[in-house]
Amino acid sequence: QSVLTQPPSVSAAPGQKVTISCSGSSSNIGNNYVSWYQQLPGTAPKLLIYENNKRPSGIPDRFSGSKSGTSATLGITGLQTGDEADYYCGTWDSSLSVCVFGTGTKVTVL
Amino acid sequence: QVHLQESGPGLVKPSETLSLTCTVSGGSISSYYWSWIRQPPGKGLEWIGYIYYSGSTNYKPSLKSRVTISVDTSKNQFSLKLSSVTAADTAVYYCARLLLRLGELSSPLFDYWGQGTLVTVSS
Repeated sequence: QSVLTQPPSVSAAPGQKVTISCSGSSSNIGNNYVSWYQQLPGTAPKLLIYENNKRPSGIPDRFSGSKSGTSATLGITGLQTGDEADYYCGTWDSSLSVCVFGTGTKVTVL
Repeated sequence: QVHLQESGPGLVKPSETLSLTCTVSGGSISSYYWSWIRQPPGKGLEWIGYIYYSGSTNYKPSLKSRVTISVDTSKNQFSLKLSSVTAADTAVYYCARLLLRLGELSSPLFDYWGQGTLVTVSS
């Protein structure tokens, strides 16, 4: 059981925007940076966002991240069929001294 | 470009030890943390543990009694051993490079991943 909670699924039409929440606590999200990963079907996860809102080279600015208190949010604008994937948040849990992942959210493009 | 490749048996019998190796190419294993992550079929990601190139380790508490991660810098490899496996250990196992900064605001991120290898626990 993960300490970070995400909605199981979100969906929207092509071109629209979706947001994915990641809820934690003061021991993890509240006092550490959050990263986000995209896992396309049948592939390994890929780093999408790090340190709450930074994008690695090659990641389009349609993807954005933010954090407020003990929650983080991933936003995807201009939704494309190629964005259909599972998305995971991740951070450090200072109480457990471990890396933790969210429960994962499946994005469906209608 | 750093490339990671997992290798090891795809089938392990219950109560035996699962052993996997991750070979790192395109870069040195030195100066970084390296991690194992698994994903049961149809489920989410589970962090197993990490090792620093110098050999220091950190494991998920619920797996700590069964897990050993080791590193061989001469071969640019690190390995996972998970003992006393059961069907619940059936998963795709990924190795990944972990960039970890610990401090007032800790920042873990996995920037390079292997393709993953499915390990099934069955008799």
